[in-house]
Amino acid sequence: DAKTTQPPSMDCAEGRAANLPCNHSTISGNEYVYWYRQIHSQGPQYIIHGLKNNETNEMASLIITEDRKSSTLILPHATLRDTAVYYCTTSSNYKLTFGKGTLLTVNP
Amino acid sequence: DSGVTQTPKHLITATGQRVTLRCSPRSGDLSVYWYQQSLDQGLQFLIQYYNGEERAKGNILERFSAQQFPDLHSELNLSSLELGDSALYFCASSAHRGLFGGYTFGSGTRLTVV
Repeated sequence: DAKTTQPPSMDCAEGRAANLPCNHSTISGNEYVYWYRQIHSQGPQYIIHGLKNNETNEMASLIITEDRKSSTLILPHATLRDTAVYYCTTSSNYKLTFGKGTLLTVNP
Repeated sequence: DSGVTQTPKHLITATGQRVTLRCSPRSGDLSVYWYQQSLDQGLQFLIQYYNGEERAKGNILERFSAQQFPDLHSELNLSSLELGDSALYFCASSAHRGLFGGYTFGSGTRLTVV
């Protein structure tokens, strides 16, 4: 599994877009990029995943660079309930390896 | 409710004891994953089972063991407990042997060893 690097913390104003970066420069061709978030001590929640193309669902958008070495998770209109630790991870097959993630704090 | 059920939610036990954590995957999911989350280590992958068979192993101690039963529920057994085993233990499930869309986590069991 590729190693991922994320900033430890970020702030965002409520109602604004939150853009969370992730570096995965050692990603291999068959590894997907996954994003999860964990609110307080709840179980991590799946957000989105992608391989090459940009992806969008009801929660967020995922932008993957053409060389696949980095990606950005976009929460288009952040709310206070989006305050959480966001994990970027990759996996080629069986398991996900989580790093420290980014603590996103959405401020009123 | 994610559909993944973990019991008990909280567990307090003494050092040297043995406990069993239980996980029922989402209906139809064949894979079960166990993770440990402690304050200083983050989320650590322990082990994965697929349809009753062990598929992948992570940083699981020899004092820990797991199994998946024919009805697909899984149990994580922790023995000779130490203070450092205090952590949140999460179970996750997925439909496939691999990931193919990620997996769904339960709400966890908080283990406190005193």
